Amino acid sequence: RKEVEQDPGPFNVPEGATVAFNCTYSNSASQSFFWYRQDCRKEPKLLMSVYSSGNEDGRFTAQLNRASQYISLLIRDSKLSDSATYLCVVKFNDYKLSFGAGTTVTVRA
Amino acid sequence: DAGVIQSPRHEVTEMGQEVTLRCKPISGHDYLFWYRQTMMRGLELLIYFNNNVPIDDSGMPEDRFSAKMPNASFSTLKIQPSEPRDSAVYFCASTSIGYRSYNEQFFGPGTRLTVL
Repeated sequence: RKEVEQDPGPFNVPEGATVAFNCTYSNSASQSFFWYRQDCRKEPKLLMSVYSSGNEDGRFTAQLNRASQYISLLIRDSKLSDSATYLCVVKFNDYKLSFGAGTTVTVRA
Repeated sequence: DAGVIQSPRHEVTEMGQEVTLRCKPISGHDYLFWYRQTMMRGLELLIYFNNNVPIDDSGMPEDRFSAKMPNASFSTLKIQPSEPRDSAVYFCASTSIGYRSYNEQFFGPGTRLTVL
């Protein structure tokens, strides 16, 4: 079983729509959680950290459910520039990050 | 500020040849990571260093792969001999234990390796 699993999508949504997707992780001792964004043929970049109480950053909302071991990301009022692959990332007890395979989102005009 | 620098950006080589990838981390960062990304396997950690010392190389696929960090501003990943299945994008990333953003890793632009 992979440490971090994601629905690969793609999620094709119109501008202005809301899109949400999850990832699950296998290690219950995981300590920290993140969403990274990767544009086509570019490097991954941190989008946001995920806190236990849930958190927002503008149009992005992240949630963590430790009991069920899943993390979610919701994007409101989608923009064309939100088109990217979103990587779910989990950190255990040191500096090693485990990346999911990514969820592809395409926002169309 | 300069980000993580990697060279070359693209490398095409023939099977059996030696390949050396280079990375310059962000100044002041004391952790350096080498990743490999393929369509099939996603982003995989190969090895990481702390203060120039290799900490975990369990992700290095086999003896053909080796990595060094002779000083705080330079690291290499070498593949010898290269094989077609090594074709991938290789990313270098760095971070600092004191960084404010919960250990955010900063990635370089990657080296796209093609082994024919």
